[in-house]
Formats: sequence, C-alpha cells, structure tokens
Amino acid sequence: GESVGLHLPTLSVQEGDSAVIKCTYSDSASNYFPWYKQELGKGPQLIIDIRSNMDKRQGQRVTVLLNKTVKHLSLQIAATQPGDSAVYFCAENWARGGGADGLTFGKGTHLIIQP
Amino acid sequence: KAGVTQTPRYLIKTRGQQVTLSCSPISGHRSVSWYQQTPGQGLQFLFEYFSETQRNKGNFPGRFSGRQFSNSRSEMNVSTLELGDSALYLCASSYGTVQETQYFGPGTRLLVL
Repeated sequence: GESVGLHLPTLSVQEGDSAVIKCTYSDSASNYFPWYKQELGKGPQLIIDIRSNMDKRQGQRVTVLLNKTVKHLSLQIAATQPGDSAVYFCAENWARGGGADGLTFGKGTHLIIQP
Repeated sequence: KAGVTQTPRYLIKTRGQQVTLSCSPISGHRSVSWYQQTPGQGLQFLFEYFSETQRNKGNFPGRFSGRQFSNSRSEMNVSTLELGDSALYLCASSYGTVQETQYFGPGTRLLVL
C-alpha cells in the first residue's frame, strides 16, 4: 500500500531563515501531492500542492520540489516568520476511477521558528 | 464565504456508546471526506461522500459509518465506542474530488472513557 514518510518530526529554524521539510512516498502511481499546515486547535490548511507532471511549483514564500526518481518531496519556506510555526504534513493521492480515494498523510513535521 | 463547520467541537463518551458527528461543507462543495487524527497513527482517511454516495472507504472497521444528505451535509457515526477511538475527527470538503483543494474544518475532539 502507499505510505508517506517524513524525515524529521521536529525542525527548529531562526526567524528569517529558510526551512526545508522533506518527505518520501512509496507509491509510484501517486500523482497528486499536497502540503498542509496545521496550527494548534485548527484543521489542516492547504499551502501548496504539486502534480506528478511537474518538478517544481512556487507559491508565496513556499516552493515544493518533486523528485519522482527517488520518490522524494520537499517544501521550502523562505524568510520564515513566527506565524509559520505549525505542523506541516505532506500527503499523496493517486487518481483511479473517480479520483475519490482519500489523501494519505505523512506523520508531520513540527516547525518551530525561533525569534 | 463560510468555512467547513463541525459539531460538536468536543465530546466525551464512555466505552460501548455510540456517537454521531456532523459536518457542514462549504457552500457549493459536493465532496465530503472524513479523517481520524491521533498522535500515534496521524491523519487517516475514513471515507468520502459525493452526491449522497460513499465513493471510497479507508481501512477502518464497520463500526465507522457515514452518510451524506442532499444538501451535502454529512454525518459520521461510530458505534460501540472503544478507548482507541479517542481522536480528533476532521471533515474536509471540496468541489468534486480529493485532488481539488480540500478545506478542512476545525474537527471534533472525541474522548472515550
């Protein structure tokens, strides 16, 4: 079955620095990879996603890289701010039939922004 | 527009009881998915509904069930509660499929004693 692994449970960076969160996936059939941010007491919030026909996608201060050869994902957050402190999850999904399968989430990385 | 709402936000039950959780999706969204979040297992997919039909189900026992109404609101039910069912239950909605942006609600925190 598919599973999503995460390299580090906790990552601490200085405010203003970049943070890189890494993730691996095991199912080569997966074609959709969203990243979610979850703050304490709230539900996950999508911050960026990427599909398997892309290698890189950029958003506001965030960049996601997809390496299909080694089944590796990374999320880079530039110029980190205190509000970036949260748990970040990678997830995967592969569309079959109606594309209605649920997302498979990684365990999450707790990002701590040090002042 | 209003986000995904879930009721109740907190719930305490005892073993053997049953519980029903409710989710109101964003207006216009027809797909509703449910997830269980625990410290040990993380976020796990329970099931997904679209136009009142369950399209897919995760690897959970039959004690977990759900339904969706014609207005896209959804409920999930857990019968014969076990201690291990204590978790945050999250609902997410999207227009059509899980590969479109899923918007999560704040969750219902269930504690089983």
